[in-house]
Amino acid sequence: DTAVSQTPKYLVTQMGNDKSIKCEQNLGHDTMYWYKQDSKKFLKIMFSYNNKELIINETVPNRFSPKSPDKAHLNLHINSLELGDSAVYFCASSQERFTEAFFGQGTRLTVV
Amino acid sequence: AQKVTQAQTEISVVEKEDVTLDCVYETRDTTYYLFWYKQPPSGELVFLIRRNSFDEQNEISGRYSWNFQKSTSSFNFTITASQVVDSAVYFCALSEAGGNNRLAFGKGNQVVVIP
Repeated sequence: DTAVSQTPKYLVTQMGNDKSIKCEQNLGHDTMYWYKQDSKKFLKIMFSYNNKELIINETVPNRFSPKSPDKAHLNLHINSLELGDSAVYFCASSQERFTEAFFGQGTRLTVV
Repeated sequence: AQKVTQAQTEISVVEKEDVTLDCVYETRDTTYYLFWYKQPPSGELVFLIRRNSFDEQNEISGRYSWNFQKSTSSFNFTITASQVVDSAVYFCALSEAGGNNRLAFGKGNQVVVIP
């Protein structure tokens, strides 16, 4: 009965590969997000979708592409992975403006 | 520009001591929300509290309390009688009216409770 679930939890891959992280929420929320946490634990938003529509697209390399097939899912695809992409990626969802966001467990991506 | 400042990076306390985490925010919006999240060693982000800009009432939840002061743009968090399970990174975050619900996080406070 996990509210926001993302898979995989750990991802180790070589430079240059393409990988995807999946996220699903069963809270019935309208808005979903991707946040990146770097090695210093700083959290920054990458993307936000509201009812499958892209709302926020921060300054993120084009190699990162979110996809929302429906409002319960928001996946993150990363092309041509680089060493600097190593981080923890969090998916989150919220119901309305200014309501709290609920986060998934995070995906620790390590690029070698 | 940093919108949320958490100046103390790491704080160590002995069990049963109180610890206060400072959060100073910056915004030009009159409508905004402030949040605190906890990230224990297991890594997940746990929502603790949300406070809107029009409600300056302080709040207490068990051993946790929050002090919101618009005059000083601060939203401080106190853990009373700390326990080892309180060891975590605590993040303060701001969501502005014009921000499409994005959370701007501070850099976090690493709290270490020593038994």
